[in-house]
Amino acid sequence: QKEVEQDPGPLSVPEGAIVSLNCTYSNSAFQYFMWYRQYSRKGPELLMYTYSSGNKEDGRFTAQVDKSSKYISLFIRDSQPSDSATYLCAPINTGNQFYFGTGTSLTVIP
Amino acid sequence: GAGVSQTPSNKVTEKGKYVELRCDPISGHTALYWYRQSLGQGPEFLIYFQGTGAADDSGLPNDRFFAVRPEGSVSTLKIQRTERGDSAVYLCASSLGSSYNEQFFGPGTRLTVL
Repeated sequence: QKEVEQDPGPLSVPEGAIVSLNCTYSNSAFQYFMWYRQYSRKGPELLMYTYSSGNKEDGRFTAQVDKSSKYISLFIRDSQPSDSATYLCAPINTGNQFYFGTGTSLTVIP
Repeated sequence: GAGVSQTPSNKVTEKGKYVELRCDPISGHTALYWYRQSLGQGPEFLIYFQGTGAADDSGLPNDRFFAVRPEGSVSTLKIQRTERGDSAVYLCASSLGSSYNEQFFGPGTRLTVL
């Protein structure tokens, strides 16, 4: 079993839609959870990170962690064409080793 | 302020050749990471440096892969006897410390082995 499972998509939504991106993980030792965004032919860039179970909001983005079910989500409200990218979930261990999901490719259609 | 830089941006080589990929981390970042990203996949951890030493090299796929960071700043990933399966984007990242710190990624080196 992979450390992190993520639906690769691709996901295509109209502008303004609410987007839900999800990952599951297997290692209960993971404590921090990051979401990275990767544009085509670029390196990943940090979008949000969370530590505890619950929600964390930043503008149009909400990160959600449920440690009991080992499930993490990223919600994007009022999606924009500029949100079109690949979104990578990344739980991390105490050694700062990131375990990336496969990434979900998102296209927001104007 | 400069981010993480990687050179070359693209490298095409023939099977069996030796290649070196360079990473310049953000100044002051003590931790440096190498990842490999194949098409349609997330980055796969290769090796992590804390200062000059390799703190974790468990992700290196075999002994053809080696990385150094002699002065605790610039790092070089070396691949011997390249194989077609080594074709991927090699990403470098750096962070301030070694625990729960944001990793800042470079743009990657796209390696193609013919």
